[in-house]
Amino acid sequence: GAVVSQHPSRVICKSGTSVKIECRSLDFQATTMFWYRQFPKKSLMLMATSNEGSKATYEQGVEKDKFLINHASLTLSTLTVTSAHPEDSSFYICSAYRGLAGPYNEQFFGPGTRLTVL
Amino acid sequence: TQLLEQSPQFLSIQEGENLTVYCNSSSVFSSLQWYRQEPGEGPVLLVTVVTGGEVKKLKRLTFQFGDARKDSSLHITAAQPGDTGLYLCAGDFSSSNTGKLIFGQGTTLQVKP
Repeated sequence: GAVVSQHPSRVICKSGTSVKIECRSLDFQATTMFWYRQFPKKSLMLMATSNEGSKATYEQGVEKDKFLINHASLTLSTLTVTSAHPEDSSFYICSAYRGLAGPYNEQFFGPGTRLTVL
Repeated sequence: TQLLEQSPQFLSIQEGENLTVYCNSSSVFSSLQWYRQEPGEGPVLLVTVVTGGEVKKLKRLTFQFGDARKDSSLHITAAQPGDTGLYLCAGDFSSSNTGKLIFGQGTTLQVKP
């Protein structure tokens, strides 16, 4: 149980285009999903918290107009990187949280999306 | 602002050696998770500790939670090349169930055959 998928796994795009990344919890309903960014050999940097049916909460320094988050259902959240530039190239990871349905505050992570902006 | 200090950040050892990774904070955790991540993949949950003084074992991995619930350690016995990866501790500092975790800086472990 607790499987989270992420699509696409890799994407290469031209500067100025927008890229959408999907995160799905496959076998449970996630009250909350989190989006992270990770640089090589570094820890996870939380970008935003996404709750179903409400606006995402962004961490300080993260541009909400650049990183659009939509949490359409209890099993799907999307991150859209708008007008991507080379500095947005990174590994983006989502996680899903079961909330009170789980015994502990555990997050289950997707496999990540490698974004390369040319 | 809660901080989670994880050490060491890099560790390169020979197969068969033992190692310990530490995770410390000045604040009390409600729970603490340890994750392992391989290159190009998402982190995988290894264990959750909740009770002060708790010890959990996962084959050659032993996880301890400090009595005051402010620190935790991961000990690997007789490390193998398959243990190579990034180890992350993550703490829940909230009393409400928000799901938000604070991550340590990570420990990159390389086990040489």
